[in-house]
Amino acid sequence: QSALTQPASVSGSPGQSITISCTGTSSDIGAYHHVSWYQQHTDKAPKVVIYEVSYRPSGVSERFSGSKSGNTASLTISGLQDEDEADYYCSSYSSSSIFHVFGGGTKVTVL
Amino acid sequence: EVQLVQSGAEMKKSGESLRISCEARGCSFTSCWISWVRQMPGKGLEWMGRIDLSDAYTNYSPSFQGHVTISTDKSVPTAYLQWGSLKASDTAMYYCARHRNPRDWFDSWGQGTLVTVSS
Repeated sequence: QSALTQPASVSGSPGQSITISCTGTSSDIGAYHHVSWYQQHTDKAPKVVIYEVSYRPSGVSERFSGSKSGNTASLTISGLQDEDEADYYCSSYSSSSIFHVFGGGTKVTVL
Repeated sequence: EVQLVQSGAEMKKSGESLRISCEARGCSFTSCWISWVRQMPGKGLEWMGRIDLSDAYTNYSPSFQGHVTISTDKSVPTAYLQWGSLKASDTAMYYCARHRNPRDWFDSWGQGTLVTVSS
């Protein structure tokens, strides 16, 4: 069982917006701004798409945005495109003995 | 920019030892912590532990403490993940990932090393 809870799957049609939630506790997401999101295409290494809750690395599409409220973080992908079909993982720094915790991953399907 | 280059795939038997590596190109000039992340077949990401390449300070997840050893050769600089006695359940893809500071996000990832352990 993962430390952070994500929905197993989310789907949307091209052009639509989808949001992936990530629920933690007051020891991780609720305590820190160190929340990040990773995109992983099949048989590829993960790649960061959001860091520090809402910042986009250079080269990542503006269609990706992040936010946080209490113990829950969210990733929104607007204007969904075929290339967005991948697994997405949230991560947070944690005050527990597991310093970096991940969510179980969400499979995004573009219909 | 930091580039992480991992060693190649390994096929081992239960009980054998193994060390895989992660060369952190660019880490001689900037702060680098290297974390190891396991991904079992068809499963999610699990954080195993991390090392500060500047002084070899390490932290381990309780789930992996005592079963793996993380080390470094900062002259290269390279991080290592080592097993003294492999189990079939260690079969997985292992990624190294860099973060600039202990609490930071993982801004660079290695290509992954597939470890297959047969019983």
